[in-house]
Amino acid sequence: GQQVMQIPQYQHVQEGEDFTTYCNSSTTLSNIQWYKQRPGGHPVFLIQLVKSGEVKKQKRLTFQFGEAKKNSSLHITATQTTDVGTYFCAGFGSGGSNYKLTFGKGTLLTVNP
Amino acid sequence: NAGVTQTPKFRILKIGQSMTLQCTQDMNHNYMYWYRQDPGMGLKLIYYSVGAGITDKGEVPNGYNVSRSTTEDFPLRLELAAPSQTSVYFCASSILAGEINEQFFGPGTRLTVL
Repeated sequence: GQQVMQIPQYQHVQEGEDFTTYCNSSTTLSNIQWYKQRPGGHPVFLIQLVKSGEVKKQKRLTFQFGEAKKNSSLHITATQTTDVGTYFCAGFGSGGSNYKLTFGKGTLLTVNP
Repeated sequence: NAGVTQTPKFRILKIGQSMTLQCTQDMNHNYMYWYRQDPGMGLKLIYYSVGAGITDKGEVPNGYNVSRSTTEDFPLRLELAAPSQTSVYFCASSILAGEINEQFFGPGTRLTVL
């Protein structure tokens, strides 16, 4: 079945440093989503990327979808303590199912103030 | 709107007991999902529903059952609890808006089976 892998598993940064997490799928994705989960909380939707090569920005967050639609990345510029949490990518398979997500294991980001 | 609500928040079960995790959404979403999240792992899909009366298995359905008699409710049933079912359970709902299918998650139920 479809597998979605994320690296790194953990990342600890000093406040103000940049952070990037990478997501790779074993199969081509129709689109990909990113979620953030604060410690003890529930996942919260950040964004969905649909087009090959798509780049979207949300303030200090930049999301990319690879040309082959098999990989994606999330980059945070100048991290803040409010960025702490686990970031998950989740993909929809290219077989037409636009509602069944396969989640990566996530990257836990901690920020030292 | 309350969004997605789940009850209970916490539960401890003995091996072999049964229970139902409740999930309700008030956003009139047609899609609903149950996930489990084990420590350090992503979310694994247990069951999902694309509308009232329609359910289907996800990645890890063994040991669970669901029903969807109304648009709002999607309960998850554990019949014979096992220690392997110790996890945090999240219910989610969504509606397809163009190509965007944002999933809204409930606060979760933390279940321990001893």
